[in-house]
Amino acid sequence: DARVTQTPRHKVTEMGQEVTMRCQPILGHNTVFWYRQTMMQGLELLAYFRNRAPLDDSGMPKDRFSAEMPDATLATLKIQPSEPRDSAVYFCASGLWGADTQYFGPGTRLTVL
Amino acid sequence: GQQLNQSPQSMFIQEGEDVSMNCTSSSIFNTWLWYKQDPGEGPVLLIALYKAGELTSNGRLTAQFGITRKDSFLNISASIPSDVGIYFCAGRSQGAQKLVFGQGTRLTINP
Repeated sequence: DARVTQTPRHKVTEMGQEVTMRCQPILGHNTVFWYRQTMMQGLELLAYFRNRAPLDDSGMPKDRFSAEMPDATLATLKIQPSEPRDSAVYFCASGLWGADTQYFGPGTRLTVL
Repeated sequence: GQQLNQSPQSMFIQEGEDVSMNCTSSSIFNTWLWYKQDPGEGPVLLIALYKAGELTSNGRLTAQFGITRKDSFLNISASIPSDVGIYFCAGRSQGAQKLVFGQGTRLTINP
């Protein structure tokens, strides 16, 4: 049963600390998306990749957020320095380029104190 | 930018009742998708719609792609406790890879 995995599932940190969230897309998928979910804003697209290349990161605060795909089996989202307003659930999703279905991971719940 | 208005924001119903929710867009979409999110999990795709007027079912769920291509509807018949969760609509315009998501409809069912 192929699934998107995300680690950690929960993260509590203090303001100013670096946070790294990891995602393993489904094997064979060539498109990876990072979303942020909050009560106020709902699901927001932060960035997405095709064949490991970033295509669009316009949804991401550039000064503190960075997203990379070191290889086809790993996507990372880093926040440095973290702020309380970054508290949210961060989802990774993967799919095939041109297909509609995006498969979501279980999310990382981030709390910044 | 593109916006999706999803309504209602929340619903409180009795088990066995039918449920209806909808999404409207400020622009035309070529694809409409409906997702469900269970507590503590990521959204899971329920139904995908590709043609204006299309009506598609998945068990007790039925979704429709509006004729104007600016709206979509999801109906759940004879609700059961496991239907509880947040339902999201999402749309994709022609040539776009990104999905635009609605704000979600939170469904609560009283047994």
